[in-house]
Amino acid sequence: GAGVSQSPSNKVTEKGKDVELRCDPISGHTALYWYRQSLGQGLEFLIYFQGNSAPDKSGLPSDRFSAERTGGSVSTLTIQRTQQEDSAVYLCASSLGPPGQRYEQYFGPGTRLTVT
Amino acid sequence: TQLLEQSPQFLSIQEGENLTVYCNSSSVFSSLQWYRQEPGEGPVLLVTVVTGGEVKKLKRLTFQFGDARKDSSLHITAAQTGDTGLYLCAGVGRGSNYKLTFGKGTLLTVNP
Repeated sequence: GAGVSQSPSNKVTEKGKDVELRCDPISGHTALYWYRQSLGQGLEFLIYFQGNSAPDKSGLPSDRFSAERTGGSVSTLTIQRTQQEDSAVYLCASSLGPPGQRYEQYFGPGTRLTVT
Repeated sequence: TQLLEQSPQFLSIQEGENLTVYCNSSSVFSSLQWYRQEPGEGPVLLVTVVTGGEVKKLKRLTFQFGDARKDSSLHITAAQTGDTGLYLCAGVGRGSNYKLTFGKGTLLTVNP
């Protein structure tokens, strides 16, 4: 498939454990975004990558959250010492060029994270 | 902080009925997008409106951007069961050309 893929699709973890969520963007897309979608909060921006650099990390909710992107492609979102309030669907999106209204963001199916 | 308020939050109608979903803000956006999301999938872009007062049509869906670029509406004519889903509006702020601010969505159920 040529779309954005994310893995795992579902993750159940115990409070206090670390988790890694993976995003494979569409080939050739230089921009990559992470969002979090939770009940009652809608979709929240977390971080934006252009290439391997993250010029905007302003949406990361705490220092337990980090993300990296390698080779201008795959990105990993890491949550350390997970808390129950981290339970949500984590969505990744990519776009062809530099961000802006001309470039559609294509979303992956998301990873549903449940912290017990 | 730019906020987008969507209404109604939930909407359940019969097939064939018309409906309108609203997206309002006190902030001005350079453009506004509408997405549709189905369970277990990511949002899919339906349309982007850029110019104040702009109207775009996508088959039975009509999208309008307010003259002041602070609000938008989505009107569906003769709804079908396949229109069921979560409709999200998202604004691109004037100070940032990439960060999307999403509304909380309208969950539409079209009953046969």
